[in-house]
Amino acid sequence: QKEVEQNSGPLSVPEGAIASLNCTYSDRGSQSFFWYRQYSGKSPELIMSIYSNGDKEDGRFTAQLNKASQYVSLLIRDSQPSDSATYLCAVKGDSNYQLIWGAGTKLIIKP
Amino acid sequence: DGGITQSPKYLFRKEGQNVTLSCEQNLNHDAMYWYRQDPGQGLRLIYYSQIVNDFQKGDIAEGYSVSREKKESFPLTVTSAQKNPTAFYLCASSMTGQGTYGYTFGSGTRLTVV
Repeated sequence: QKEVEQNSGPLSVPEGAIASLNCTYSDRGSQSFFWYRQYSGKSPELIMSIYSNGDKEDGRFTAQLNKASQYVSLLIRDSQPSDSATYLCAVKGDSNYQLIWGAGTKLIIKP
Repeated sequence: DGGITQSPKYLFRKEGQNVTLSCEQNLNHDAMYWYRQDPGQGLRLIYYSQIVNDFQKGDIAEGYSVSREKKESFPLTVTSAQKNPTAFYLCASSMTGQGTYGYTFGSGTRLTVV
């Protein structure tokens, strides 16, 4: 059974600080990794994708991938109250097109 | 603009009724998916389809049915056999084949049993 694990939170971070969200996965053959943001009552939206070991930066967001340790993380710099949401980690293996989803981490940015 | 359209946004079902949720995409994606999300929970896969006229059960298919007669459309029927259908239903689509493609989601349908 392929699994993706996330701490459910809530993770509370002061405004302006760095929020760090983590995700581990069980399938060593996984190739692609995605972070989605979901506001309460809304559908998930893709914010970052990463395929190679190392860091990928996009504005205030940085995704980090370590395939040897089977974890992927998302850093949010200069956290804003508008970043308060649930962040879903999704992983795709090399055998098909389906994503395996984590249950999500609820992030709260305190003003 | 390309995207996925789900309708209706809100749906109320009486006990014993079947209801159908609509999902249409104009992204030319081959694969489409239906997920259920309960409050404070993650996404659970109901059905998915890779090509027209073919679909597979996900983790919680009991009490649901789908069809894929057109590439653009993947409607979900919640039957009276689904005993606890109140939830947020999300439709998604993606490209297939080699490559690193994420999912695009519709805005969701919130179903309530009355």
